[in-house]
Amino acid sequence: EPEVTQTPSHQVTQMGQEVILRCVPISNHLYFYWYRQILGQKVEFLVSFYNNEISEKSEIFDDQFSVERPDGSNFTLKIRSTKLEDSAMYFCASRRTGGTDTQYFGPGTRLTVL
Amino acid sequence: AQSVTQLDSQVPVFEEAPVELRCNYSSSVSVYLFWYVQYPNQGLQLLLKYLSGSTLVKGINGFEAEFNKSQTSFHLRKPSVHISDTAEYFCAVSERRNTGNQFYFGTGTSLTVIP
Repeated sequence: EPEVTQTPSHQVTQMGQEVILRCVPISNHLYFYWYRQILGQKVEFLVSFYNNEISEKSEIFDDQFSVERPDGSNFTLKIRSTKLEDSAMYFCASRRTGGTDTQYFGPGTRLTVL
Repeated sequence: AQSVTQLDSQVPVFEEAPVELRCNYSSSVSVYLFWYVQYPNQGLQLLLKYLSGSTLVKGINGFEAEFNKSQTSFHLRKPSVHISDTAEYFCAVSERRNTGNQFYFGTGTSLTVIP
């Protein structure tokens, strides 16, 4: 069964550094998402992406964040200058179409900012 | 805006006993409802979803949930749990529309099955 993959599984970085989290959505899916989960807290929506542009974003997704689909398979989340509070698990998700289709989640990347 | 409340942060239960994990939501529009499970060091896996039709939905691993519109609830149940059900369970909602459909998650319920 096809699945969403994410790399790396764990990323450690120094405060102020840039990080890029990578995701490979399911191949025939058209909608892509990033969520994050700070330890002990709920999973929070960051951004959705469709037709090569952001369709929705939350208040968390400020100018430090950006997303890109650089080729036909990858979907990336970039944090330009990481802060301590960016430490979290970041989940990528994809869905084939909008509406009732299920979102499929990847295993997550744990980002630790020191 | 939507919000999801999972009242129980931790639920310990003995093996083969029944369990109910509670989920309530608030929304100004119609929603779809989901339960996801997260096993240690893994991603979120869909257990079941309510889109329309019968209010009782059955999912994988013997779980089921009932949508109660008047009480705005979507509680998850299993009549007999196994050790392997130990995991984090998340309730989520998304708006009934054909666009981005972001998910709003609850804070999760940690289910621990005791041998």
